Amino acid sequence: ETGVTQSPTHLIKTRGQQVTLRCSSQSGHNTVSWYQQALGQGPQFIFQYYREEENGRGNFPPRFSGLQFPNYSSELNVNALELDDSALYLCASEGGSNEQYFGPGTRLTVT
Amino acid sequence: AQTVTQSQPEMSVQEAETVTLSCTYDTSESDYYLFWYKQPPSRQMILVIRQEAYKQQNATENRFSVNFQKAAKSFSLKISDSQLGDAAMYFCAYRRIRGGNTPLVFGKGTRLSVIA
Repeated sequence: ETGVTQSPTHLIKTRGQQVTLRCSSQSGHNTVSWYQQALGQGPQFIFQYYREEENGRGNFPPRFSGLQFPNYSSELNVNALELDDSALYLCASEGGSNEQYFGPGTRLTVT
Repeated sequence: AQTVTQSQPEMSVQEAETVTLSCTYDTSESDYYLFWYKQPPSRQMILVIRQEAYKQQNATENRFSVNFQKAAKSFSLKISDSQLGDAAMYFCAYRRIRGGNTPLVFGKGTRLSVIA
């Protein structure tokens, strides 16, 4: 176990809706990264937060946004859901060891 | 942009045998990390082994070892004495060091089956 948790495990949403996914990092880990893993693909970097500020972003549109809180929890918000947003969403926390510890992911299905 | 290529979508190995998974990458950086992650059906991404590019010695973790060829930009994973629990998706990943907390760049993965 990595000590990183995510909720919910599974989620079904309708196109055009909004969704919030949650992640709880290991205590003391100031950095959290979010990845999108489409079926049969490797994870793709969405963005990273360090001490509650966005610290880098991949090739994802602004409707993907995030928050990080002082209690080592974080959120990924996706507005105006599209069918292609269906994927496994992974969060990974890091505390300075140059290693990222992943959560079990949230499986999002958009219909 | 950095890219990671895993040319074997699927591999299989007999239990107790040895298997090698291939990975190549493209980068203009001289300092970076390389990783192999395992993703079983439970979906949890688990770090298997890590290699720092400045180290010439290949990393080893129990039954898992790598063959790191920096000039060739090749980073293969060897699993010895394969066990049923090794069956999973395996992802090779690259991480640039310059710039601080940089993201992981993943390959598309190799699905490993272990035959009893």
